[in-house]
Amino acid sequence: RKEVEQDPGPFNVPEGATVAFNCTYSNSASQSFFWYRQDCRKEPKLLMSVYSSGNEDGRFTAQLNRASQYISLLIRDSKLSDSATYLCVVNTGGGNKLTFGTGTQLKVEL
Amino acid sequence: DGGITQSPKYLFRKEGQNVTLSCEQNLNHDAMYWYRQDPGQGLRLIYYSQIVNDFQKGDIAEGYSVSREKKESFPLTVTSAQKNPTAFYLCASSMQWANVLTFGAGSRLTVL
Repeated sequence: RKEVEQDPGPFNVPEGATVAFNCTYSNSASQSFFWYRQDCRKEPKLLMSVYSSGNEDGRFTAQLNRASQYISLLIRDSKLSDSATYLCVVNTGGGNKLTFGTGTQLKVEL
Repeated sequence: DGGITQSPKYLFRKEGQNVTLSCEQNLNHDAMYWYRQDPGQGLRLIYYSQIVNDFQKGDIAEGYSVSREKKESFPLTVTSAQKNPTAFYLCASSMQWANVLTFGAGSRLTVL
């Protein structure tokens, strides 16, 4: 099993839709979780950290489910500008190393 | 504005040549990292440095070398020993080890 797994997509959704991505991790000792956004041929940029209690930033909501070992990202009222690849990043405890998922591609369409 | 500067943005190399990718940060971060990204794959860690004058191999260090003589600078050399060097190379830094990363704009290396 991979340390961090994501559905590669693409998720094609109409503008205004709500879309959710999950990311599963294998190391139960993982302590820190992040979502990054990466536009085509650009560098990843931090979208949000994921806290145990869940957190929200505008249209974006991140949740952590430790029992099932996954994190989620919910995007409400999708905009065309949300089209990008969303990378899940997990601090996989142990060696205190950040592991990246392969990313989930989102395409928001008119 | 604080940030990370990578150069060059695009680089073409002939087989058998070594090339050095530059990474400079003015964020006063202690930790710096080099990642490689290939299509359809997640970012893979090449080398990292938690402090000046110290660096460690990541998951795919073979064929690469680094130095960390200054806090601000963490250059990566892609040697001729790297069998498949064509990739997108990303430098990053963080205030705390293995925490929130700030990335440079990347260097795209193509071997001809």
